[in-house]
Parts: sequence; structure tokens; C-alpha cells
Amino acid sequence: GAVVSQHPSRVICKSGTSVKIECRSLDFQATTMFWYRQFPKQSLMLMATSNEGSKATYEQGVEKDKFLINHASLTLSTLTVTSAHPEDSSFYICSATGEPNYGYTFGSGTRLTVV
Amino acid sequence: AQKVTQAQTEISVVEKEDVTLDCVYETRDTTYYLFWYKQPPSGELVFLIRRNSFDEQNEISGRYSWNFQKSTSSFNFTITASQVVDSAVYFCALSEARDYKLSFGAGTTVTVRA
Repeated sequence: GAVVSQHPSRVICKSGTSVKIECRSLDFQATTMFWYRQFPKQSLMLMATSNEGSKATYEQGVEKDKFLINHASLTLSTLTVTSAHPEDSSFYICSATGEPNYGYTFGSGTRLTVV
Repeated sequence: AQKVTQAQTEISVVEKEDVTLDCVYETRDTTYYLFWYKQPPSGELVFLIRRNSFDEQNEISGRYSWNFQKSTSSFNFTITASQVVDSAVYFCALSEARDYKLSFGAGTTVTVRA
């Protein structure tokens, strides 16, 4: 089946630094990728949608200059959390899809801790 | 407006009991997709089922069954003869054909006690 690899699984960074999270589709071409954030004991909230080769579309309330998304190829999307602060500590999870009428393949998630 | 409502925050049962998770959705699209995912403590999302809006047939997969009723906009999930390994957070989700964004409900935490 379709597999999405997400790295790193855990990262601890200092406040003010940037962190990059990668999401790769291993066996299919992901025309669309979604990035979610999940705070403890809460649901997954969609942050942005990215289509290969075009700018990401951000959900209301998500700072596009803080959460940089790049979807340069059909198999790779990256999320960079810039100038991270403790309140950015969360579980980030990506999802990829390759056709219009189908399911979504999720990465295993990245637990970000900003100290 | 919230598109997916999971009214049950937490459910605790004893092993071998049945447990039903409610999901009510809201959409104006005629073409949409409903999903259930399981999220164990490790965090990864485990896909359980997808159902499109034109297929109202109920489905059974082992101890899992789903009841889709368009008339009440509900897509309920039942675990029969629950086991400790079923303990997890379960999410119902909806995607609409207009944009295919997946919207999640708040989730229901299921705890199965031995």
C-alpha cells in the first residue's frame, strides 16, 4: 500500500531556531499534501494544503511566514517552523494523496519540543 | 462551523463489552467521503474505513462495523467484544469533493479495561 515517510519523529530545539520536517511519499506521486498540528488531547487541525509546484494554501489563523511549506516535487513536502517558540511545541503530521477520489496516507508524525 | 461532531469525549468499557462511537457530520456537498481513524498512544494514525456519500451500505470488518445513515448524517462505529488493544483515540473525519480537505472530529478516547 501507499507509504508516507515523515522525519524526524522527534525533535527538540532551542527557542528561536528553525526546524524542518520532511514528508516523503515512497511509492506514489503525491500531488497534494496536507499538514496538520495536534496539541495534547486535541484533534488534528489542518494547517495548510500544498500542491506540487505551487504555493501552499494556509488555513485561517496559521502564519505562513512562520510555517514555511515547500512542495517542490511529487514525492517530497517540507514544513519549516521558523523562529520556534515553546508554544509551537506540538505533534505535526503530514498526509499525502495522489488522486482526486481516494484516501489519505499519513506520515507517522513529528513530535516537536521547543525549549 | 464544525463539520464533524463526536459528542462522546471518553468511553470506558470492560473487555468483551461492545462499544459504539457516534459521529455526526455536516456538509452541503452531495459528494463527500467519511473516514474513521484510530490513533494509539504512539501517535500514528491508523486508517480503518472510508465510505463515499453514494454508498450507504453498512460494513463489517472483523469486530468492527460501521453504520452510515445519510438521513441522520451519521456514521457510527461499533467495536464488538472489545479488547484491551482497542484502547485508543478514534477520529471520525469528512472530506468534501470541493477541496478534499480532511476535517476531523474532536475524537473519542476509548479505554478498554481488562
